[in-house]
Amino acid sequence: QITLKESGPTLVKPTQTLTLTCTFSGFSLSTSGVGVGWIRQPPGKALEWLALIYWDDDKRYSPSLKSRLTITKDTSKNQVVLTMTNMDPVDTATYYCAHTGYYYDSSGYRYYMDVWGKGTTVTVSS
Amino acid sequence: VIWMTQSPSLLSASTGDRVTISCRMSQGISSYLAWYQQKPGKAPELLIYAASTLQSGVPSRFSGSGSGTDFTLTISCLQSEDFATYYCQQYYSFPWTFGQGTKVEIK
Repeated sequence: QITLKESGPTLVKPTQTLTLTCTFSGFSLSTSGVGVGWIRQPPGKALEWLALIYWDDDKRYSPSLKSRLTITKDTSKNQVVLTMTNMDPVDTATYYCAHTGYYYDSSGYRYYMDVWGKGTTVTVSS
Repeated sequence: VIWMTQSPSLLSASTGDRVTISCRMSQGISSYLAWYQQKPGKAPELLIYAASTLQSGVPSRFSGSGSGTDFTLTISCLQSEDFATYYCQQYYSFPWTFGQGTKVEIK
């Protein structure tokens, strides 16, 4: 059974750096085809994809946030860490991490987010 | 960036109704689309991927269709536990993007 859990501060001040940890079980990030992504959702708003890291350390970022985001993995600890610099009140949101499932078709391997953590709420305020 | 237009934003329906939610892409994405259900205060849950493949454990009253730019999520017989917000999401290219959501409320 795949499970993920997000952890990190609930309150950060503007300009500070946010560090979130996704601790997972039921899979290994050293296994070919595995990935973990981060998504956020401001209060009352839609979901926004942020970043993704694959088993081979390939990383993808949202272009609008790329300069502020870093995603890393610690395979031995079964963790993925997302850091976001220069936090602003508009970054107030619930942050989720998610496991990526995959399938193979004529275009190659395709990845999608199949199991999500419960999320952690982050408020940015002075 | 692939933009997504999801409609309607709000849908009022009764238990037993057949409901349809639409998702239109700004460019073709083949069948690389997922649908999620989100209940208040909870994380999204995957319903459908590859536009029409039902995730394991999801009731068969949920179905997805479409390819290219136009996609549809259908709930054949709405149950009380289906009142929630639904999101489409494309994974054809990065950045992955979501629709704005459709809230299905009790009529």
